[in-house]
Amino acid sequence: QSVLTQPPSASATPGQRVTISCSGSSSNIGSNTVKWYQHLPGTAPKLLIFADSQRPSGVPDRFSGTKSGTSASLTISGLQSEDEADYYCAAWDDSQNDLYVFGTGTKVTFL
Amino acid sequence: QVQLVQSGAEVKKPGASVKVSCEASGYTFTSFDINWVRQAPGQGLEWIGWMSPNSGDTGHAQKFQGRVTMTRNTSNSTAYMELSSLRFDDTAIYYCARDLKYGEPGGYWGQGTLVTVSS
Repeated sequence: QSVLTQPPSASATPGQRVTISCSGSSSNIGSNTVKWYQHLPGTAPKLLIFADSQRPSGVPDRFSGTKSGTSASLTISGLQSEDEADYYCAAWDDSQNDLYVFGTGTKVTFL
Repeated sequence: QVQLVQSGAEVKKPGASVKVSCEASGYTFTSFDINWVRQAPGQGLEWIGWMSPNSGDTGHAQKFQGRVTMTRNTSNSTAYMELSSLRFDDTAIYYCARDLKYGEPGGYWGQGTLVTVSS
């Protein structure tokens, strides 16, 4: 069972903004940085955001990340067709059970 | 350029073991940690464990305790993940992933290896 909770789905019209939330706890998001991954069916996941809000080289600036306390958010500004995918948050966890945890995942689709 | 090339699909019977390889190129193998992640059909991403190719140190999710072994061969820049006592619900695509930088998993990914557990 994932310890990071995301909404199962999110949708918007092309060009609109969509925000995905990720709720954790003091042992993961509250004390470690958040990463966000994009996963398209049949392909390997892609790192979109690391260190809460940093984008790897090549990731468009329409993807942005924020964190506050034990929650984080990914915003896609100006949704494009290629953004329809599954999105996962993740963080290192200081608890005894799992060292690295993924969120439950959010499927982003067009309205 | 950084590349991670994984071994091919496997079909195993329940109770058997599977060993997936991940050959790295385009960078110094011992400089970045390797993580293993899987996705079962219709499920989300699940973290399995990590390994330091430099020291050989490993860590894994508690649910894989006693079943997962992560190793490496620095002479051919290859990481390995072996999962034993396979169950039907171990059927999944298994990915290796290299850190983007220290503590930031998943900067680069292998293509995935489908492991099917079937009787």
